[in-house]
Amino acid sequence: NAGVTQTPKFQVLKTGQSMTLQCAQDMNHEYMSWYRQDPGMGLRLIHYSVGAGITDQGEVPNGYNVSRSTTEDFPLRLLSAAPSQTSVYFCASRGRSETQYFGPGTRLLVL
Amino acid sequence: AQTVTQSQPEMSVQEAETVTLSCTYDTSENNYYLFWYKQPPSRQMILVIRQEAYKQQNATENRFSVNFQKAAKSFSLKISDSQLGDTAMYFCAFMKHIRLDAGNMLTFGGGTRLMVKP
Repeated sequence: NAGVTQTPKFQVLKTGQSMTLQCAQDMNHEYMSWYRQDPGMGLRLIHYSVGAGITDQGEVPNGYNVSRSTTEDFPLRLLSAAPSQTSVYFCASRGRSETQYFGPGTRLLVL
Repeated sequence: AQTVTQSQPEMSVQEAETVTLSCTYDTSENNYYLFWYKQPPSRQMILVIRQEAYKQQNATENRFSVNFQKAAKSFSLKISDSQLGDTAMYFCAFMKHIRLDAGNMLTFGGGTRLMVKP
């Protein structure tokens, strides 16, 4: 199993550009989530999904959209990138247990 | 809402010695999970240890153990026989019990940077 995969590893955007961060898991997990990690801080929840077709907002959802058309994929869309969205983004998934599995992260720099 | 506080931004320890990282949390829930995650320079989030709130026995995983004080809402991590590979950021995290809220996710503390010195 590949676990949780994220692409790209690193991305530079200009203010106002849009992009999609990809996340996929091959463990047939129901629950998937996106977190952001700013320098010197812990991870904060952006959006999450409890199954295909069902998403909800986390602590810091503004400026981001998500969808969950399949169990495996949970992309995060930045609609119009802002410098405040410069961060490291982590995708995570879990099954019926409490254990979260994290992807390797995507480092995003918005100029 | 839950909050998790790690009051030690940075700590250092000599190789082979023992170090304790502190974590306090605030919640009105009675049943929940607590976790310690390790984040080395690679940025990968690695689960170190977990504790279920209804279990009175402190969790242990090899050189890692916790001191869980439910009444005080305290959850410290003890690393024994510290190794150079333990150098990393350590995050304490909280999650409501999945039977209470199946879709709930993690709330993290701000982290403690641990440096193990040779």
